Amino acid sequence: RKEVEQDPGPFNVPEGATVAFNCTYSNSASQSFFWYRQDCRKEPKLLMSVYSSGNEDGRFTAQLNRASQYISLLIRDSKLSDSATYLCVVNRNQFYFGTGTSLTVIP
Amino acid sequence: EAGVVQSPRYKIIEKKQPVAFWCNPISGHNTLYWYRQNLGQGPELLIRYENEEAVDDSQLPKDRFSAERLKGVDSTLKIQPAELGDSAVYLCASSLVPTSTDTQYFGPGTRLTVL
Repeated sequence: RKEVEQDPGPFNVPEGATVAFNCTYSNSASQSFFWYRQDCRKEPKLLMSVYSSGNEDGRFTAQLNRASQYISLLIRDSKLSDSATYLCVVNRNQFYFGTGTSLTVIP
Repeated sequence: EAGVVQSPRYKIIEKKQPVAFWCNPISGHNTLYWYRQNLGQGPELLIRYENEEAVDDSQLPKDRFSAERLKGVDSTLKIQPAELGDSAVYLCASSLVPTSTDTQYFGPGTRLTVL
C-alpha cells in the first residue's frame, strides 16, 4: 500500500471558485505533513505545513485529521496563478510524496 | 541567498552510457537529498545525506547507481550503465537540520532522457 494517496485529478475550475484536495496516508506513525506546489517542469516548492489545529495562509487552508489519517487543502477564490500540481507530503523518517493533484483554473 | 544548484539541467544519452549529476545545496544546509521523479508521479527518495554520511540509501539501486558527498557540501549522483527506465527528472534538495519538520528546498532538477 502506498504511503500517500491523492486523487490525481485533473481539477478544472473557474476563477473565483473554491476547490478542495484530499490526501490519505497509510502509517499512523507519520510525524509531519505538508503541501507542496509544483508548476509544470519546475521543482516542488513548499506551500504550507499542516497542523492538527488547522492552519490558514491567505486563501489557503490546510487541515489534518490524525484519527482518519487524512489531510486536506482548501483554496478559496481561485486565481489563474493557482494552476499547478499540488503534492501531499508526509514525513515518517523520510519524506513521502503523493502523486500530486493537477489544478487548472480557467478564466 | 542562492538556492540549490544542479547541473546539467538536461541530459540525453544512449542506453548503457554513464551519466553524472551534480548538486550544490544551500549554504549551511547539512542534509542533502536526491530524488527521482517520473512523469505524473511524486518525487521518490533515492538517498539522504547528513553531512558526508549517507544515512538512508535503502532505495538507491546500488547495482548501477552511486552517490557521494565527500566534503559534506556538493554531491554527485552517478548512473552506470544507464537504462531506458532511468529516464526521469533527478531532483536534489537540502534542508538545514535533519528534523521531520524542516523545510526542504529543491533544485531545478536534471531532466535525463535515455535513448
